Amino acid sequence: DTGVSQDPRHKITKRGQNVTFRCDPISEHNRLYWYRQTLGQGPEFLTYFQNEAQLEKSRLLSDRFSAERPKGSFSTLEIQRTEQGDSAMYLCASSGQEIYNEQFFGPGTRLTVL
Amino acid sequence: AQRVTQPEKLLSVFKGAPVELKCNYSYSGSPELFWYVQYSRQRLQLLLRHISRESIKGFTADLNKGETSFHLKKPFAQEEDSAMYYCALSGRYGGATNKLIFGTGTLLAVQP
Repeated sequence: DTGVSQDPRHKITKRGQNVTFRCDPISEHNRLYWYRQTLGQGPEFLTYFQNEAQLEKSRLLSDRFSAERPKGSFSTLEIQRTEQGDSAMYLCASSGQEIYNEQFFGPGTRLTVL
Repeated sequence: AQRVTQPEKLLSVFKGAPVELKCNYSYSGSPELFWYVQYSRQRLQLLLRHISRESIKGFTADLNKGETSFHLKKPFAQEEDSAMYYCALSGRYGGATNKLIFGTGTLLAVQP
């Protein structure tokens, strides 16, 4: 499968714990996006990388959230001191360089905070 | 404010009936509009975009700037069209983020 992959697919954690998710984009894609989707809602933008540079962060991304893309390839999203409100599906997408390139989505990581 | 509105959470039609999934948007500049689809147990995928003006799986969507709408249409629904459909917009930032702003989605259920 040469599409976007995410790991883990499911994560259950207790409130207050830290969690980290990984996204591997399509290899030639230099743009990478993180979105969050809660029940009954569409995906909401969290942050954007072009190569290794994080160029935009949503106000949804509180100080407890941090994302990295150290070598411009895979990316990680870490949530510190998780809260029940963090329970959601976390989606990663990647696209190529051109402006109107399609964003390809991964399967998502479903986070449940107990 | 940038916003996408999909007024229907669920649309149920019979096989062979016409389908129209509504989408309205609010955006100050010139947006790029998309329809994404998510079939059961599959990932979100692009169905079509307004700039390409193509028909995919029999679906079409026309951007109406006067009514700020981008409704998705298909003349004859098939059972395999049953899925969650999301309308989304992106700004024409000229090389910038191109983040997507999604609506809340419409579940299309095509009955046999």
